[in-house]
Amino acid sequence: SAVISQKPSRDICQRGTSLTIQCQVDSQVTMMFWYRQQPGQSLTLIATANQGSEATYESGFVIDKFPISRPNLTFSTLTVSNMSPEDSSIYLCSVLGTSGVYNEQFFGPGTRLTVL
Amino acid sequence: GQQLNQSPQSMFIQEGEDVSMNCTSSSIFNTWLWYKQEPGEGPVLLIALYKAGELTSNGRLTAQFGITRKDSFLNISASIPSDVGIYFCAGQLRRGNTPLVFGKGTRLSVIA
Repeated sequence: SAVISQKPSRDICQRGTSLTIQCQVDSQVTMMFWYRQQPGQSLTLIATANQGSEATYESGFVIDKFPISRPNLTFSTLTVSNMSPEDSSIYLCSVLGTSGVYNEQFFGPGTRLTVL
Repeated sequence: GQQLNQSPQSMFIQEGEDVSMNCTSSSIFNTWLWYKQEPGEGPVLLIALYKAGELTSNGRLTAQFGITRKDSFLNISASIPSDVGIYFCAGQLRRGNTPLVFGKGTRLSVIA
C-alpha cells in the first residue's frame, strides 16, 4: 500500500483567503484524487489530478474555486480559493495503488479546514 | 451521479455482539470495498471484493460481493471497543483507474 502524507493537517482560515493543501506519496502512482468530506457526511470526489495536464473536475466543482496541480507522480496540491464558511470540511488526498493483483484506493490522513 | 445506499446510518451495540451493515445500488459495480474511518483520520481500507458472490474475511470482519453486483454487506463478529468508527462502503463502476463512489457511512458505537 502507498503511504500518503498531507500538509497542513488542519487550519483555521478567514473568509476570502485561500489555502493550498499538499499531498505527498512515498511511491509513484498513476492516479491521484481529491475528496471533500463535509462535517458528518460521506466523501465526495472533487477532481482527479492528472500529471502534466489539467485536472478533471466532477460536477459541481470548478477549477477557479479548486485549482489543482500535479507536477509529478508523487505530489499534488489542492487550493481552496476565496474561502467561505461553507468550505469548512476535511479535504482528503487519495491514490490508486497496487496491492496484489488489483489496484486499490488509499487515503491520506486528511486536512481539516475551518473557515471563519 | 451514482449513489450507494448504506444502512443502517448508525448502530449502538454491546461489546461482544455481532454487527451487520449493507450497501445497495441501482447500478452494477465491478468492485466493492469497505473502509473504516476513525476521528481525525482518513479512511482505511478493510476489505476489497472483486468478483460477484465473493466472500472475503479479514480477522473478525467478513464481507460479501452480492451476486447481482448491486449490493455488498460487511459483518463484524464479537465486537470490541476499538471497532468504534464510521464504516463506508465504496464501489467502482469499472475496474481500473476510476475513482470510487461512497456510501453515506454507518457510525458504529460499542458499549463496553
